[in-house]
Amino acid sequence: DAGVIQSPRHEVTEMGQEVTLRCKPISGHDYLFWYRQTMMRGLELLIYFNNNVPIDDSGMPEDRFSAKMPNASFSTLKIQPSEPRDSAVYFCASSLALAGGYTDTQYFGPGTRLTVL
Amino acid sequence: DAKTTQPPSMDCAEGRAANLPCNHSTISGNEYVYWYRQIHSQGPQYIIHGLKNNETNEMASLIITEDRKSSTLILPHATLRDTAVYYCIVRVNTNAGKSTFGDGTTLTVKP
Repeated sequence: DAGVIQSPRHEVTEMGQEVTLRCKPISGHDYLFWYRQTMMRGLELLIYFNNNVPIDDSGMPEDRFSAKMPNASFSTLKIQPSEPRDSAVYFCASSLALAGGYTDTQYFGPGTRLTVL
Repeated sequence: DAKTTQPPSMDCAEGRAANLPCNHSTISGNEYVYWYRQIHSQGPQYIIHGLKNNETNEMASLIITEDRKSSTLILPHATLRDTAVYYCIVRVNTNAGKSTFGDGTTLTVKP
């Protein structure tokens, strides 16, 4: 399996521009997570989906952030308009639902390093 | 999810065992202990997890105390490539895998 795939790996943009980050989870996984990592705040969970449905978006910082999962193999995280404080590494992860309501471990992608100038 | 406490940094000599401690004194009976590591500029990588028994896999061993208030991750023969930030997380296995990452322990393996 190719693992979780994220694109682009690096993104440099100017303040005010729209940014779209993409994620392809591991095939067959039921859950998809978006995290953000900065030096100041560490690794933070932004939102997660179950079977393409957003379950918990309490970590999304503000309305400028939105996430979608149109199908089981693709998700996007959009920032519009972007600001310099959004500069961070954004990780996508996926996990598998197991029998009995249990969940397997999360598998992380390589991340997208976003720089907003 | 229960809060964990880890030392901010540790050093280990190459070839020696690295023992990384984690305190989770408020762990609940249905919470598992998970360990991940993050090598510079990469995504976190799953290492091992356990509930109350000691566990071993090809990467590491996990020792959980009988009262489950603390655990130790053991890398039996540390190599330079094991230099990373190691995260100890406790969570139930029925919460979709949602995990709260703390600051972790930065392990530096030295030649």
